[in-house]
Amino acid sequence: QVQLQESGPGLVKPSETLSLTCTVSGGSISRHYWSWIRQPAGKGLEWIGRIYTSGSTNYNPSLKSRVTVSVDTSKNQISLKLSSVTAADTAVYYCARDLGDVAVTGYFDAFDIWGQGTMVTVSS
Amino acid sequence: DIQMTQSPSSLSASVGDRVTITCRASQSISSYLGWYQQKPGQAPKLLIYATSSLQSGVPSRFSGSGSGTDFTLTISSLQPEDFATYYCQQSYSTPLTFGPGTKVDIK
Repeated sequence: QVQLQESGPGLVKPSETLSLTCTVSGGSISRHYWSWIRQPAGKGLEWIGRIYTSGSTNYNPSLKSRVTVSVDTSKNQISLKLSSVTAADTAVYYCARDLGDVAVTGYFDAFDIWGQGTMVTVSS
Repeated sequence: DIQMTQSPSSLSASVGDRVTITCRASQSISSYLGWYQQKPGQAPKLLIYATSSLQSGVPSRFSGSGSGTDFTLTISSLQPEDFATYYCQQSYSTPLTFGPGTKVDIK
């Protein structure tokens, strides 16, 4: 079955760029939307943005000026870059797959498969 | 942005209880609502999408209803594995937004 695994540095200095990769195994990255979602410790979920395998993206306006999501279909990977980080960006970061196969049902903006999450701390 | 609220923020219940959680959107979202369950240290798990569609593999004791701005998640008979935090999420428009969560713990 499809599995997602986030990877990247667990510690990032303030003002630097957070870079994470989500590797998809057990299935193709094609025909689905992929999202990044984060969760500060003890708090709720915040949607960061999504990408389709064509490269089309949508971002949360609250982060849009700092976020870049990209896809590498040859590697079955989705990447997240968040620039100019502050302590407020400290969170568990998840990648998640949209439930819908675009070619069959369209997309749902509901997330049926999630990575385990990776904790990123912003601190000097 | 569409703001999502949930009530209650927490509740205590016993195994076998019927539990209802409410989610309200700041504007109409038609039926574009999902529910997730999250246990400590785990990623959220999709329970219901499009208001009332049960995700594959999810027990039938979970059900969802509503439309417009008001939605409910019902657990018909609470099981030990259901003690968790539940989040609603609107999929009507971006940015996609989640409710603040409802923690269900053991009475």
